[in-house]
This record gives sequence, C-alpha cells and structure tokens, in this order.
Amino acid sequence: DGGITQSPKYLFRKEGQNVTLSCEQNLNHDAMYWYRQDPGQGLRLIYYSQIVNDFQKGDIAEGYSVSREKKESFPLTVTSAQKNPTAFYLCASSGQGPEQYFGPGTRLTVT
Amino acid sequence: GIQVEQSPPDLILQEGANSTLRCNFSDSVNNLQWFHQNPWGQLINLFYIPSGTKQNGRLSATTVATERYSLLYISSSQTTDSGVYFCAGFSSGSARQLTFGSGTQLTVLP
Repeated sequence: DGGITQSPKYLFRKEGQNVTLSCEQNLNHDAMYWYRQDPGQGLRLIYYSQIVNDFQKGDIAEGYSVSREKKESFPLTVTSAQKNPTAFYLCASSGQGPEQYFGPGTRLTVT
Repeated sequence: GIQVEQSPPDLILQEGANSTLRCNFSDSVNNLQWFHQNPWGQLINLFYIPSGTKQNGRLSATTVATERYSLLYISSSQTTDSGVYFCAGFSSGSARQLTFGSGTQLTVLP
C-alpha cells in the first residue's frame, strides 16, 4: 500500500529528553513536511524538505531539528530546547504538484 | 503575510441537512486545499482547488480566486462527516508552503 507512516502513534517523554519522531513515505515524493497541531488550532509548519540532504525552517522551527538522508524518510527531533513540546505532530509529503498528503500523526506528551 | 480565515468556527447539524463552510484568504495565497480531520486526528484530502468547482460524491468545493474565497458544500450530511474541516492556502512566494485556517468543527447529530 502506498502512503505515509508515522511512528509511534503515542509517545511519552520526561522533560529534558530529546525525542525523535519517525516519518516514512513510499509515494516516491520529493518534498516532505512536518507540522505541529495544538488543541483547537490549525497546523503550523515546523520544517520542510524539497529534496534529499536539503531542508528549510518553517514558521516554528525553534527547538526542533530534522534530517533528510533518504528520499523516503524525514525524521523530526524534538529537543529539550522546545519550551512546549506536548502536541500532535503530523508529517506530509507532496510529489510533482503542490498538493500535500498527510500521515496519521504522533501524539507527543512531555511531563 | 498569509491569512486564511474560516467560518463558522462551529456548526451543528441534524443528519440529512446540507451545509456550507467558508474560507477567506489573502492576496498572497494562490492555491487552496480542503481537508477533513477525523476524530482520530487523520487529515484527509478533500479537494485541491485553486479555482473553479469540483465535486466528489456529496461534497463539492468552489474557489473564486478573484474574490479571495472558497466554499465547501456538504449535502445530505451523515454522522461520519463529523470532525474538523480545514482550508489551507499555498503561498504565492513559496509554492510548497501551506498555511492553515483555524478550522470549522462540524458535528452531525443522528
């Protein structure tokens, strides 16, 4: 099945720990994106990558880091510098056109 | 900057009713996507619609780019239509970046 997978679905961490969220796609899409969603709000762009080994900051990149070593993978690390890391994180990808397709998301809780 | 505004913020319908959701967007938006977020959080593509009208079953969307708005129509609503509907605009400056509205929470009662 073609699609975008994110793991894990739920993640719990203690404050001060870095945590990495996985995003994999088998759609052969060049571009991949990470968004954050807080309760009752829309999505905000954290980072995006249009090609392997290249990525750009979005609107809320502080406290996050990414890598893009393979076309199909775009992991997001939430560092201890992120002041309010508890949120719902969604990964997306797009192919030749700009239309974006989303994975199922990871709910991160930091206590 | 890019502005995407949705109305109404909340909508409660009886099953079988029709509804119209509105999205207004700023001059710097040149393309639009509509999504449905189900109760489990999954964001489902509904329409990619820079202009004109598209239909998919009971759902249709119209974008009037010259007047900076888009409408999503849901006919004969079902309880499974419940969830949050988002519109999101692509920046004319960077064709890949999506800016989301704050959504319309739709509840369809049986």
